Amino acid sequence: DQQVKQNSPSLSVQEGRISILNCDYTNSMFDYFLWYKKYPAEGPTFLISISSIKDKNEDGRFTVFLNKSAKHLSLHIVPSQPGDSAVYFCAARTTSGTYKYIFGTGTRLKVLA
Amino acid sequence: DVKVTQSSRYLVKRTGEKVFLECVQDMDHENMFWYRQDPGLGLRLIYFSYDVKMKEKGDIPEGYSVSREKKERFSLILESASTNQTSMYLCASSSPRQGAGTDTQYFGPGTRLTVL
Repeated sequence: DQQVKQNSPSLSVQEGRISILNCDYTNSMFDYFLWYKKYPAEGPTFLISISSIKDKNEDGRFTVFLNKSAKHLSLHIVPSQPGDSAVYFCAARTTSGTYKYIFGTGTRLKVLA
Repeated sequence: DVKVTQSSRYLVKRTGEKVFLECVQDMDHENMFWYRQDPGLGLRLIYFSYDVKMKEKGDIPEGYSVSREKKERFSLILESASTNQTSMYLCASSSPRQGAGTDTQYFGPGTRLTVL
C-alpha cells in the first residue's frame, strides 16, 4: 500500500516557467514532509521541507505548499531552469512507533531550454 | 559538509553469493538508513539504525541483514544474493540534533548492484 504517491512519473516545462510537482499521502500521522532532488548516478539531495503545522514554506525559487485536509503537498519551482532537470521525490515522516521516512515514487522533471 | 560514502559504485555478483555493502558517514550522525531504489517504486526502506548495535526493520527487510558496530559505519548484507535484489542501494544518515524539529537525511552516491 503506497502511503505517499506521486502520480505523475514525468513532467516537461519550458525554461522560465513554473514547475509544479505534486504528492498525495494517506497517513494522518505524518508530521513532516520533505522534497529531495536526484540527478543520475548521484544520491538524493535535500531540497526543502515543511512541518505539518504549516501550509507554506519558501526557499528562493522553491516553495512547498501543504494542504492537510486534502492530504496533498506540492513543490513549485519558479522560474524553472535547465539545471532543475532531475527526479524529485517527496517524503513523509511517520511518528507512529519509531519514526521513519516514506518516499514517493518520484517525478522526472525536464526543463526545456 | 556531510559526507556519506559507499564502498562501491558498481557491483556485479552471482546468485547465492554473500554480498556486503558498506556505508560510512563522517558527521557523527546517530541515524543511518539503507534504501533500495527501483523504477516505478521510488525509495524503499530496508533497514535503519538509531544507535550503535541497534537496528530496526524497514518496509522490505526480507533477504537482508545489517550490522552497526561503530557509529559511523552501517553495513547491509545480502545473505544469499538473488536476481530480484538487482537494484540501486542508497545509504543515508541523519541526526535529530540538526534542529528545527527535523532530521534531514544525507545520502551517499549509491551502489548499483547487479546479481547474475
